Amino acid sequence: AQKITQTQPGMFVQEKEAVTLDCTYDTSDPSYGLFWYKQPSSGEMIFLIYQGSYDQQNATEGRYSLNFQKARKSANLVISASQLGDSAMYFCAMREGTSGGSNYKLTFGKGTLLTVNP
Amino acid sequence: DAGITQSPRHKVTETGTPVTLRCHQTENHRYMYWYRQDPGHGLRLIHYSYGVKDTDKGEVSDGYSVSRSKTEDFLLTLESATSSQTSVYFCAISESAGVAGRIHGYTFGSGTRLTVV
Repeated sequence: AQKITQTQPGMFVQEKEAVTLDCTYDTSDPSYGLFWYKQPSSGEMIFLIYQGSYDQQNATEGRYSLNFQKARKSANLVISASQLGDSAMYFCAMREGTSGGSNYKLTFGKGTLLTVNP
Repeated sequence: DAGITQSPRHKVTETGTPVTLRCHQTENHRYMYWYRQDPGHGLRLIHYSYGVKDTDKGEVSDGYSVSRSKTEDFLLTLESATSSQTSVYFCAISESAGVAGRIHGYTFGSGTRLTVV
């Protein structure tokens, strides 16, 4: 079973509108972290936002917010007021076992390609 | 000062030849990772390291080996390259999670585009 599922291969949004990118995850570990990364056409991986499993509030970073619904195991990324520069591939990722362990490997979803139209 | 550099950035090699990719960090981070990125698959973990000489396999480790003789360097070797190993390879580094599980994020290298012909 996939640990991270991104069901939207591609999304389109009009400039200045908000968009939600979906991510669901699967883990039995009570301690985990969820990440979103942006990969523009230039190829670099850009960290956007992080949510810990014990965090009481949804994470926010500027125009990015993470809609964390723990019971549903979803961690959707919300981008407000989309800009043309937001056009990129977006990856959701999870790290299990943040309470300690010998590794902190990230598991990625397959990504969502967001296109912002003018 | 990127903190993490990958070399080479691009490489074309022939089937059956050995290839070594290098990841070098200046952050003194304990954890290092090699991922490959392919269309429709996202990033998949090949191998990772949690210290000098401490490495383990990821989900797509067949055909790859790694070595970490120094904290700053993590080498990925394709012993005998195949066309299925044509991909973009990313190295990443991270610190320990800390007591609260907060992290400073993972830092990714710029990637190596490998083509096996």
